[in-house]
Amino acid sequence: GENVEQHPSTLSVQEGDSAVIKCTYSDSASNYFPWYKQELGKRPQLIIDIRSNVGEKKDQRIAVTLNKTAKHFSLHITETQPEDSAVYFCAASMVSGGYNKLIFGAGTRLAVHP
Amino acid sequence: DTEVTQTPKHLVMGMTNKKSLKCEQHMGHRAMYWYKQKAKKPPELMFVYSYEKLSINESVPSRFSPECPNSSLLNLHLHALQPEDSALYLCASSQVQAHGHLYEQYFGPGTRLTVT
Repeated sequence: GENVEQHPSTLSVQEGDSAVIKCTYSDSASNYFPWYKQELGKRPQLIIDIRSNVGEKKDQRIAVTLNKTAKHFSLHITETQPEDSAVYFCAASMVSGGYNKLIFGAGTRLAVHP
Repeated sequence: DTEVTQTPKHLVMGMTNKKSLKCEQHMGHRAMYWYKQKAKKPPELMFVYSYEKLSINESVPSRFSPECPNSSLLNLHLHALQPEDSALYLCASSQVQAHGHLYEQYFGPGTRLTVT
């Protein structure tokens, strides 16, 4: 089955710096890669996603890149702010039996210090 | 309405109790999911419903019993739980995949369950 590895497990940056989180997946059939942000005690919130027919996607300060050949994808956050502090989960998904099964990475705890 | 709601927010139950968790969405999504999330861990898929039919049971113990009474509601019935079942239970919904295109899953706020 699919396996997703995520690094680093914790990341500490100064406000204004960039943050990069990397994930690798095992199943080449995976074709959808969402990123979720989860603040303490809150629900996971989708912040950006990318599909296998696209190499890069940007949304303001957030970007995601995908390398299908190497089977890895990354989240880039520029000009970090304290409110970016949260746990970030990557996930990989494929069509399986008519439904969308997300396999999550272990998470990265991002701390942005003022 | 672009939100998934869950009740209750918190639940404390004994090992002999029977309780139910509820999830509701009005986005017209026909796929609904239950996840379990332990502290400092990612969500783990438990069940998937597609068009109100159970599509996937990820080898979940029978003390968890899901139910999808209609396209907007999803329940999780709990009976004879163990302390290790204490966790955040998340509901999610999405459109059903079509022609290989996968859709975003939207999560509810979760029910924090404590089994004593």
